Amino acid sequence: QITLKESGPTLVKPTQTLTLTCTVSGFSLSTYGVGVGWIRQPPGKALEWLAHIHWNNDKRYRPSLKNRLTITKDTSKNQVVLTMTNMDPVDTATYYCAHTGARYDFHFDYWGQGTLVTVSS
Amino acid sequence: QSALTQPPSASGSPGQSVTISCTGTSSDIGDYNYVSWYRQHPGKAPKLMIYEVNKRPSGVPDRFSGSKSGNTASLTVSGLQAEDEADYYCSSYAGSSPWVFGGGTKLTVL
Repeated sequence: QITLKESGPTLVKPTQTLTLTCTVSGFSLSTYGVGVGWIRQPPGKALEWLAHIHWNNDKRYRPSLKNRLTITKDTSKNQVVLTMTNMDPVDTATYYCAHTGARYDFHFDYWGQGTLVTVSS
Repeated sequence: QSALTQPPSASGSPGQSVTISCTGTSSDIGDYNYVSWYRQHPGKAPKLMIYEVNKRPSGVPDRFSGSKSGNTASLTVSGLQAEDEADYYCSSYAGSSPWVFGGGTKLTVL
């Protein structure tokens, strides 16, 4: 049974760096083809893809946020970490991590419950 | 990377069918058969309903179907049920920046 769970701060101040952790179970981050992505959703707004990391450490970023994002994985801990620098109130959103199952899968078949991050001084 | 275009709302009565469109460009929907659809109930995480244009994950009823023509993809929900009332998002592969989502459609079951 594949599960993902996001964790991190619920409140960050403007200009601070956000660090979110996605802890996964039911699969290995080193299994061929597997990937984990981060998607966010501002309150009342649409989903927005942020970053993705594959089993082979191939990483992709949303172009408009590339300079602020870093995605890494720790296979031994079953964790994927997303950092976002220079946080702004417009970054207030629910942040989800989600699983992709194969090398050329471009859909997210399992999602975490999400974690709401508020950016405010 | 522009968002895909969806109608903000759609509606239908129980038992009826409703179709939600998702318009992209020749760089995303038009060029790849990697369109997916997600259903999201309020306060919940999205759930995959359709992938690769018209494939259903295990457990998703065959009332849900997908199609694509040119730069536009569509999700059809047949035999509408109360539980289908939710927000629906389309997504497409878009090349080097792989994922683009639509703006979402709120489906109301009248």
